[in-house]
Amino acid sequence: EADIYQTPRYLVIGTGKKITLECSQTMGHDKMYWYQQDPGMELHLIHYSYGVNSTEKGDLSSESTVSRIRTEHFPLTLESARPSHTSQYLCASPLGAKNIQYFGAGTRLSVL
Amino acid sequence: AQSVTQLDSHVSVSEGTPVLLRCNYSSSYSPSLFWYVQHPNKGLQLLLKYTSAATLVKGINGFEAEFKKSETSFHLTKPSAHMSDAAEYFCAILGGGYNKLIFGAGTRLAVHP
Repeated sequence: EADIYQTPRYLVIGTGKKITLECSQTMGHDKMYWYQQDPGMELHLIHYSYGVNSTEKGDLSSESTVSRIRTEHFPLTLESARPSHTSQYLCASPLGAKNIQYFGAGTRLSVL
Repeated sequence: AQSVTQLDSHVSVSEGTPVLLRCNYSSSYSPSLFWYVQHPNKGLQLLLKYTSAATLVKGINGFEAEFKKSETSFHLTKPSAHMSDAAEYFCAILGGGYNKLIFGAGTRLAVHP
């Protein structure tokens, strides 16, 4: 199993604040993904990275940005949080040749 | 393009009875399919995966799924439901040029005493 760590687990914040959601993995994986899950809905890919200095937008348009300066970290940033950003954000990384994705516990974000 | 459709948004069973959660897929080539479970306020946990090996796949916690190409299905089953199985279940297919997961809308499983 891959160990994917996400912090914080829960975050309640006011509109206009800048936030960074952390995702880290200790297995040296190149590929990392961010998915967004609105309450009661399926997950959609919003960002992915194939390695250091590689980041791409996913299927679902998102105002968030990501960076990949180090292999083990893939933080997601919202420069100015809005209530529409209220969602769960899940980080994942695949393990092995079959690209089986393992997920972190997620960050549940509420923007007031 | 790949896609999955979960045929039931809610399934309710009694403890000790069988569970069937249905998933159909669409793929232009041999798919890699997954079932994940999400307990309340938790992340996703991989239950099982099909990656073109045996068509009957056994997963954790007594769950299994059968890949049926002729029916384009990958239904999840368990012979006897436990209260702890109550959760949201997501079927997913690996697809796209960057190996993303494409998820179904989820099935919420309720287990009654």
